[in-house]
Amino acid sequence: QLQLQESGPGLVKPSETLSLTCTVSGGSIRSTTYYWGWIRQPPGKGLEWIASIYFSASTYYNPSLKSRVTISEDTSKNQFSLKLSSVTAADTAMYYCASVSLDVYHLFDHWGQGTLVTVSS
Amino acid sequence: DIQMTQSPSSLSASVGDRVTITCRASQSINNYLNWYQQKPGKAPKVLIYAASSLRSGVPSRFRGSGSGTDFTLTISSLQPEDFATYYCQQSYNTSPLTFGGGTKVEIK
Repeated sequence: QLQLQESGPGLVKPSETLSLTCTVSGGSIRSTTYYWGWIRQPPGKGLEWIASIYFSASTYYNPSLKSRVTISEDTSKNQFSLKLSSVTAADTAMYYCASVSLDVYHLFDHWGQGTLVTVSS
Repeated sequence: DIQMTQSPSSLSASVGDRVTITCRASQSINNYLNWYQQKPGKAPKVLIYAASSLRSGVPSRFRGSGSGTDFTLTISSLQPEDFATYYCQQSYNTSPLTFGGGTKVEIK
């Protein structure tokens, strides 16, 4: 069973860069069944897709965040990562990593438990 | 971007009630529509994909329907464990993938 686990600082200062890592177990990040994504959820609000990465070569970003976001993979560690620069209080959210089904339905199939990131000085 | 609008944003219902949640897309998305359930403090969980296909292990009281721009999630007989927030998600346009605003189902 595929499992994902987010890790990273829970507190980031305004204007700094938020960095999170997702460790995948029970499957390979080089999977031909899934690709990988980040989703966030501000407290008490809905879900927002941030970015996805396919086979290390292809990355896709939410246009609303594209100028500040980088997603990458480390296949040697079976991990993928998110960097979000120039954060503000509006970036305070629960951040989830997830596997995404590699078919036309792009189903967020398996999720990490989430990690709460607070942006505050 | 394809906007997904859910209604209602919240509802109160009793155990045994039939509950219907609607999701409307800002343009046709064929059947590229998924439904998720999220309980407090937990990650979302897939219920329905391709508008009407029940995910393995999900109780048959959950039913999805619709195509084009209008979709429905129906819970035929609400159970105590169904009190949660439900989200739709479109995958017709993958950049960005977008979710509805959510529908919170509360105990009456």
